[in-house]
Amino acid sequence: DIQMTQSPSSLSASVGDRVTITCRASQSVGTYFNWYQQKPGKAPKLLVYDASTLQSGVPSRFRAVESGTDFTLTISSLQPEDFATYYCQQTYTYPYTFGQGTKLEIK
Amino acid sequence: QVQLVQSGAEVKKPGASVQVSCKASGYTFNSYDINWVRQAPGQGLEWMGWMNPNTGNTGYAQNFQGRITMTRNTPLSTAYMELSGLRSEDTAVYFCVRGDGYSSSWFAYWGQGTLVTVSS
Repeated sequence: DIQMTQSPSSLSASVGDRVTITCRASQSVGTYFNWYQQKPGKAPKLLVYDASTLQSGVPSRFRAVESGTDFTLTISSLQPEDFATYYCQQTYTYPYTFGQGTKLEIK
Repeated sequence: QVQLVQSGAEVKKPGASVQVSCKASGYTFNSYDINWVRQAPGQGLEWMGWMNPNTGNTGYAQNFQGRITMTRNTPLSTAYMELSGLRSEDTAVYFCVRGDGYSSSWFAYWGQGTLVTVSS
């Protein structure tokens, strides 16, 4: 199975800060890679697909970049609604696998 | 609009089986795979498997092989996930998810989740 390793596991930041979350795949997944945001008690929400394409309606302060097996999600200026848990996912091959999540908390 | 509406919460005893339903609306049911993802309390997301509603073909994660069955009722636009031999570690919220993009490459539409509690 392809392992997806996210870092950090948790992150404290303030409104207006710029934050970056990283996900590393244990082998190549091409651009079969997605980012999700999940708030407590809710289903995950697709943020980015195809490694770098923002889902419709996702604000432009979110940016995703792929470099080989390393993927980064950057939020340029945190807003109150961005505090949530973020997951990466590979859909290159079955079984599809997720990262362990990065919890973004208010400092 | 696309909607996936799941059945309600379940409480089961160890060793029992549970079936969760997922009713799709707002699109042609046969045109998109249905995946199932679960999330144990306070934990991350775990992909369980997929089903092609058109053909009925399925694929399951190794962790669930032998215990999981995904089926569908096409006229009702409803997918089902049955998990047998329940144990306490199966306590989780179960989500049905539509696979979008080429080869079901991303998950844009999720059901609301169904909490399954396994307890004696």
